[in-house]
Amino acid sequence: DTGVSQNPRHKITKRGQNVTFRCDPISEHNRLYWYRQTLGQGPEFLTYFQNEAQLEKSRLLSDRFSAERPKGSFSTLEIQRTEQGDSAMYLCASSSETILATNEKLFFGSGTQLSVL
Amino acid sequence: AQSVTQLDSHVSVSEGTPVLLRCNYSSSYSPSLFWYVQHPNKGLQLLLKYTSAATLVKGINGFEAEFKKSETSFHLTKPSAHMSDAAEYFCVVMDSNYQLIWGAGTKLIIKP
Repeated sequence: DTGVSQNPRHKITKRGQNVTFRCDPISEHNRLYWYRQTLGQGPEFLTYFQNEAQLEKSRLLSDRFSAERPKGSFSTLEIQRTEQGDSAMYLCASSSETILATNEKLFFGSGTQLSVL
Repeated sequence: AQSVTQLDSHVSVSEGTPVLLRCNYSSSYSPSLFWYVQHPNKGLQLLLKYTSAATLVKGINGFEAEFKKSETSFHLTKPSAHMSDAAEYFCVVMDSNYQLIWGAGTKLIIKP
């Protein structure tokens, strides 16, 4: 399967710990997006990359959050000093400029479910 | 600013009966609108999208949606519900930067 892959699927951590999630997009997709989804809500945009450049960050992305895409392929999302309010599903999606221009499609991973105790 | 409002947080129907999931949007221009489905423990999947070619859009799994500009609505329907349709459904609008703005979701419950 060459879809968007996210690891880990689940992460349980204690408040104050740091966590890191990984997203492997579909090969050759130059756009990569991070979303956060809390229970009973739709996904909320966090940030996106075009190749290795982080082009936009939501106000939701506090200083404790950092995302990278060092080689324009996989991406990591790190949360420092986690808080209980960070508990959510973190979703990654990828696409390309061509796909977006023609049919505006994003391809989503299954997400990483974070629980902060 | 663009936004979407899903009018029902939960919809419950019996298997074999019609499904209606309601969505209203707000946009300053003719928007691109989508419906996504999220099954438990699975990734979000695109059901269908509207991009001004036709007001009635057919999607996968027998779903369709009708764009009504006068009502600013994009309701999702299916003639006959199946147990496998039980999932969460999101109405989404895309802004000019290809960013998706999501509704809060409607959980579809199918009764046997």
